[in-house]
Amino acid sequence: EDKVVQSPLSLVVHEGDTVTLNCSYEVTNFRSLLWYKQEKKAPTFLFMLTSSGIEKKSGRLSSILDKKELSSILNITATQTGDSAIYLCAVRFGNEKLTFGTGTRLTIIP
Amino acid sequence: KAGVTQTPRYLIKTRGQQVTLSCSPISGHRSVSWYQQTPGQGLQFLFEYFSETQRNKGNFPGRFSGRQFSNSRSEMNVSTLELGDSALYLCASSLIWQNYEQYFGPGTRLTVT
Repeated sequence: EDKVVQSPLSLVVHEGDTVTLNCSYEVTNFRSLLWYKQEKKAPTFLFMLTSSGIEKKSGRLSSILDKKELSSILNITATQTGDSAIYLCAVRFGNEKLTFGTGTRLTIIP
Repeated sequence: KAGVTQTPRYLIKTRGQQVTLSCSPISGHRSVSWYQQTPGQGLQFLFEYFSETQRNKGNFPGRFSGRQFSNSRSEMNVSTLELGDSALYLCASSLIWQNYEQYFGPGTRLTVT
């Protein structure tokens, strides 16, 4: 069964720290991996990674796809309190459905 | 460009009733997906529509159904509501249905009493 696992489940760091969030998957016929940020509302799209685009960066956020290890990391540098959120990873596999992980809850302490 | 809109934003229903939720995708987007989000199960895929056709379906009972109109707007219907149907229902749109970025609407919070 296709599966997406995120770690850690929760993380508390101080403002200014750098964090790394992990997403691993067991899927057949991988198509793409998407990262979302969810605060008290709907998920906000961050990145989409595919076989042809394994690294993305936007400001302090960056993400890398490791197809050999079937995983991805999301890095956030110089964290700010506004980065506090649940970060969701989703994988699209052969039949095009998106399967979501349970998310990592990130809390930034001022 | 306006984002994905969902109506209503909040809804309270009693067991046994039925409910219809609406989603309008981003202008130009032709694919709409529906998800159920609960604290225990996280985000779970319900179904996806493109060009008025259901392209994919998740593992939900037949009480959950949907449709898409020619203007790409979509509705989902839940019949014979159960307490366990209480959740945030999210709609997401993408340009087409194959391997494109999905953008979420604000969701409809459904409470079943």
